[in-house]
Amino acid sequence: DTEVTQTPKHLVMGMTNKKSLKCEQHMGHRAMYWYKQKAKKPPELMFVYSYEKLSINESVPSRFSPECPNSSLLNLHLHALQPEDSALYLCASSLGGQGSPYEQYFGPGTRLTVT
Amino acid sequence: GESVGLHLPTLSVQEGDNSIINCAYSNSASDYFIWYKQESGKGPQFIIDIRSNMDKRQGQRVTVLLNKTVKHLSLQIAATQPGDSAVYFCAENVDMGSQGNLIFGKGTKLSVKP
Repeated sequence: DTEVTQTPKHLVMGMTNKKSLKCEQHMGHRAMYWYKQKAKKPPELMFVYSYEKLSINESVPSRFSPECPNSSLLNLHLHALQPEDSALYLCASSLGGQGSPYEQYFGPGTRLTVT
Repeated sequence: GESVGLHLPTLSVQEGDNSIINCAYSNSASDYFIWYKQESGKGPQFIIDIRSNMDKRQGQRVTVLLNKTVKHLSLQIAATQPGDSAVYFCAENVDMGSQGNLIFGKGTKLSVKP
């Protein structure tokens, strides 16, 4: 299994809603990532989890809250978002471990629209 | 090519021709580079990677060249096919020994004419 899955594929939410994005991989990868991608722009790193611990937070607003319940799952909890947060949210995973970077495998993304 | 403003640079090639997509990276300490392909409505797909101790790496129909002197990366696609049409991103790992600090370039849209 060389796949990263993400649910839901599409999400529309109001500014007062609370929702969660989910990501799953069964490749035994120990590093997992959240990226945000706006139209016609490259992905921007938001968070990195390494061995289920948050290792990088790229100054993301607190209305985005990541969670890594176990080595296969990664969630992104959303609360009080703004319309400018509408984007494609991508999850990725890599083998992980210190000393050498590895290729990241991406999921298909969740298309989020905030109304 | 590099993007200017909000528009992705576009490379248009004839089916069967070779394509060369260029990327300038920013950090001379970057130790690892990846090329990704992103089709419309999908996540980025890994194509090929190269570490900073190499200057060339070949895959199936693809070759990546790294010139550390001028901080330049290129992706060559041989015998380009319509299925190669996508946006191509280069990415650099900017943290020595880090498992995941990829910074993506601005992307180039490849269009293949049949």
